[in-house]
Amino acid sequence: EMQLVESGGGLVQPGGSLRLSCAASGFTFSNYWMYWVRQAPGEGLVCVSLINPDGAITKFADSVKGRFTVSRDNAKNTLYLQMNSLRAEDTAIYYCAKSIVMSGGDLDVWGQGTMVTVSS
Amino acid sequence: EIVLTQSPATLSLSPGERATLTCRASQSVSRHLGWYQQKPGQAPRLLIYDASQRAPGIPARFSGSGSGTDFTLTISTLEAEDFAVYYCQQRTVWPRTFGPGTKVEIK
Repeated sequence: EMQLVESGGGLVQPGGSLRLSCAASGFTFSNYWMYWVRQAPGEGLVCVSLINPDGAITKFADSVKGRFTVSRDNAKNTLYLQMNSLRAEDTAIYYCAKSIVMSGGDLDVWGQGTMVTVSS
Repeated sequence: EIVLTQSPATLSLSPGERATLTCRASQSVSRHLGWYQQKPGQAPRLLIYDASQRAPGIPARFSGSGSGTDFTLTISTLEAEDFAVYYCQQRTVWPRTFGPGTKVEIK
């Protein structure tokens, strides 16, 4: 069974940092594009980042560009999201997700999400 | 950025009825559109990819159609477990964008 499990969320003060992790299992992680999607409380879904299979290509939403970085360790089957200079508006559930096909595509497997709260 | 508009915002129906949800893109996304279902406290679930392909394990009562700027998700006969929020998402250009969602509620 394909599975993604996020961790690393929590309460952080404005200006602080957090690193989220997403552990993958049940599929060949190193073959797939991976994504981070967030959802603020009571709000819709926003795709914040993507990374290609070898990590050479990364993209970010304008709202997090310059503050967030994404990386992956294919040997550990793990995706990361490093979040710096956090703001109140970054408060959200963060999901990792994989593309349905190796070359990209819609998101067929999602983790359960990890909550990030930015507050003093 | 491609903006997706979903209508209606809320759809009030009874089990057994047919649901028709629409998604309109601000510019052509070809067939690079997916539909997701989200229930309270759960992650989204992919229903339809590439506008009309059912994802593995998705019941046949879910179907998608459309291309370019206009798309439709149809649930032929609503089951109790189908009452949820439905989002469309385009992947033609970055950033991938989602529509604001359609809530299908029990009438």
